[in-house]
Amino acid sequence: GAGVSQSPSNKVTEKGKDVELRCDPISGHTALYWYRQSLGQGLEFLIYFQGNSAPDKSGLPSDRFSAERTGGSVSTLTIQRTQQEDSAVYLCASSDRGLGYTFGSGTRLTVV
Amino acid sequence: AQTVTQSQPEMSVQEAETVTLSCTYDTSENNYYLFWYKQPPSRQMILVIRQEAYKQQNATENRFSVNFQKAAKSFSLKISDSQLGDTAMYFCAFRRDDKIIFGKGTRLHILP
Repeated sequence: GAGVSQSPSNKVTEKGKDVELRCDPISGHTALYWYRQSLGQGLEFLIYFQGNSAPDKSGLPSDRFSAERTGGSVSTLTIQRTQQEDSAVYLCASSDRGLGYTFGSGTRLTVV
Repeated sequence: AQTVTQSQPEMSVQEAETVTLSCTYDTSENNYYLFWYKQPPSRQMILVIRQEAYKQQNATENRFSVNFQKAAKSFSLKISDSQLGDTAMYFCAFRRDDKIIFGKGTRLHILP
C-alpha cells in the first residue's frame, strides 16, 4: 500500500488478556520497527526487523512482549497477560535504507 | 550509548513568529542521519526534515530549516512564519545504521 497500515486503531482489553497488534509496512521496505509511546512521552524502541536477519529485540520490556514478521512483510506484536502499564500507543514504522521512517497511525492500547 | 536530548519540554509562540527548537545528541560515530519529526494530535508521525552528517549545508524544507553544528553535536529546528497547523509535538531523532533513537519531544503551541 501507499503507507504503513496498523490495526486496530484502538484496542481496549482487560488486564490479563493477550492482545495482537498488526502492522502492514510499505511494500518493498526491508526494515520494520515497533515503538511504544506512553502518554505525553517520547518513543521507546521495542523491536526491529531487517530483511531475513534475526530481529533486534533489545527494546522489548519483558518476556510478555513478542513480535514476528511473516514473509518479510506484515508484522504482529503480541502482548501476553496485559498489565495496566502496557497502556500506550504502539507505533509501527518501515524504512528503506538511508531514509527516514514512515510511520503508521498507531494502535492506542488501553488495559482496564 | 547514543542519546538525543531536547531541553525544551514545551514552547508557545504567536502565529507568524519564528521559533527554534533545540536538540543535542551524543555519538562517537562520524556518519549518521538526523531528523525532525512532527506529531500532531492525530498522532501520525510526519517527517519534517532530514540531515546527513557528512553534508555541511543545513537542510531546508520551505519554512523549516535546521542549524546543524556537527562539532557541537547540535541540531536545532527553526520554523519561520509559524502557522496554527504547526502546533504539535516535535521529536528530534538520530539514526545510525538502521535504528533511530528519539528525543523526548518538545510540545509546540502556536497561538492565534
